[in-house]
Order: sequence, then structure tokens, then C-alpha cells
Amino acid sequence: GEDVEQSLFLSVREGDSSVINCTYTDSSSTYLYWYKQEPGAGLQLLTYIFSNMDMKQDQRLTVLLNKKDKHLSLRIADTQTGDSAIYFCAAMDTGRRALTFGSGTRLQVQP
Amino acid sequence: NAGVTQTPKFRILKIGQSMTLQCTQDMNHNYMYWYRQDPGMGLKLIYYSVGAGITDKGEVPNGYNVSRSTTEDFPLRLELAAPSQTSVYFCASSGGTNYEQYFGPGTRLTVT
Repeated sequence: GEDVEQSLFLSVREGDSSVINCTYTDSSSTYLYWYKQEPGAGLQLLTYIFSNMDMKQDQRLTVLLNKKDKHLSLRIADTQTGDSAIYFCAAMDTGRRALTFGSGTRLQVQP
Repeated sequence: NAGVTQTPKFRILKIGQSMTLQCTQDMNHNYMYWYRQDPGMGLKLIYYSVGAGITDKGEVPNGYNVSRSTTEDFPLRLELAAPSQTSVYFCASSGGTNYEQYFGPGTRLTVT
């Protein structure tokens, strides 16, 4: 089945850009997602990208997809302390429309 | 629209007890899911349903049962609670040509 991997931790200074990386194994995954989870809270969908796209931009968020390498990244421009959270990458199995999640990257933003 | 609602928010069970986690969506979505999130981990799929009357196992179904008698409701049943089922449980739904998956707020379950 699908396997999604992420680095565990990223620390940046306020105002810098953050780049969170993700790799997946199933080349047939057609949609790839980024979710944000704050402590004790549910999951907030940030953005998603269809596999026939290379890039998607949404305000401060930029998603880059390299299908050849099965690599996805999320760039957050001008990172703020409110961006401190855990970020999950997920890949969709289009048959079941179910998601396989990575273990999450904890983003720490230092003032 | 309320979206996806889950009850209860918190629950403590003793080993061997049973309970049902409730999930309801008001978006007329065909697809519904149950995931569990263990501490420090991502979510893992327990069961899913592609429509009323149809359910199937995900990656971690042992110890759970589901039913889908209506489009709106997708309850998750724990029959004999075990400490390994201590987790946060999320219900989600998806439908139509929109491939977004909408999550409920979660149920935090502790089994002692």
C-alpha cells in the first residue's frame, strides 16, 4: 500500500520561509493534501494539488509536486508564530477516496 | 451546514467495556471514514463506507465494527475495549466531484 514519509521537526524564525517536505510511494495517487493540526484540535485542510499539476499557490502557501521523484513540498512564506503546528501530508487512494497520512512535521516558529 | 459532527468529545472506558462513537454529516456525502490518531502519529484508516449499506475495512480494523444504514450516519462500535484503543478518533466525509475530505472535531478515548 501507500507509504507517506515526512521529516519530524522544523524550526524557523518569524518572517522567514518554511519548507516542509513529503515523499510518497504510490505513483497512482491522484490528489495530495496538506493539513494543519494545532494542539488538541482537529485537522484543517490547507490546500491540495491534483497530480497533473506541478505547482499551486494560495496566498502565503505554495505547493510543489515532483511526480517523477514522488516528492511534495509545502512552502509557507513570511512564517508567523500562529503557523506553529503539526503539518500532515496525505495521499489519496482514488478507489476508496481514503487518505494515507504521513506522521506529521512539527513546525516551531521562533519570534 | 454543521458539517461533520462527532459525539462524545471525550470518553474514558474500562478494559472490556463497549461503546459507540457517533458521526453525522449533513452534506449528503456518499463517502465516510473513520481514522484513529495515536500520539505523535498520523491518522490511520479504520473503516470506510462508499454509500449507505456498504462498508469496508481500512488498515487497522481489528476491534471495531461499523454500520451505515443512512447516508448521514456512520457509527463506530468498540465491543471489548483494550488499552491499545486509546487514541483520538476522527470521522470524515467526502462527496461529489470535490475531492476534499471534511473532518469532524474528534473523540478522545482513553481505555484504562
